Amino acid sequence: DIQMTQSPSSLSASVGDRVTVTCRASGNIDNYLNWYQQTPGKAPNLLIYAASNLQTGVPSRFSGSASGTDFSLTISGVQPEDFATYYCQQSFVMPYTFGQGTKLEI
Amino acid sequence: QVQLVQSGAEVKKPGSSVKVSCKASGGDFNTFTISWVRQAPGQGLEWMGQIIPVFRSTKYAQRFQGRVTFTADESTTTAYMEVSSLRSDDTAIYYCARKIDHWNRSDPWGQGTLVTVST
Repeated sequence: DIQMTQSPSSLSASVGDRVTVTCRASGNIDNYLNWYQQTPGKAPNLLIYAASNLQTGVPSRFSGSASGTDFSLTISGVQPEDFATYYCQQSFVMPYTFGQGTKLEI
Repeated sequence: QVQLVQSGAEVKKPGSSVKVSCKASGGDFNTFTISWVRQAPGQGLEWMGQIIPVFRSTKYAQRFQGRVTFTADESTTTAYMEVSSLRSDDTAIYYCARKIDHWNRSDPWGQGTLVTVST
């Protein structure tokens, strides 16, 4: 199975900050990398797919990038509604494994 | 747009079974692939597997093989996930999600179904 190692596990930020979450795959996933946001009590919501493509309706302050097996999610100008947990997921080969999650806190 | 609505919370005894439903609306169910993901209390997301209803084709993550069964009813556009021989560590929120295009992204998701396994 492909292992997804996500860091940090938690992150403190203030409104307006720029924050970055990273995810490393244990093998090639050919940019089949998705990012999800989950707020407490809610289902995950797709933010970015194919490493850098913004899902329809997602604000442009979210962006994704890739370098080999390293991936990052950046929020440029954190808003109050962005305080949530973020997960990466590889969708290249089944099982489609998730990272452990990063909790973004105020 | 596509919506997935799941069945309500369940409380089950160890050793019993539970069947969670996921009803789709707003799209062509015959083109869907439905994934199932679970989340134990306070924990991360775990991919369980998927079903392509029109082909009755299923894939399971190895740790769920043999104890989890995915089915679907095209006449009611509903997918089902059944877990047998329930244990306390099966206590979790179970989500269904539609997998779309060749990038295998999941959107939308159902609202989740809490299954509690307790004596």
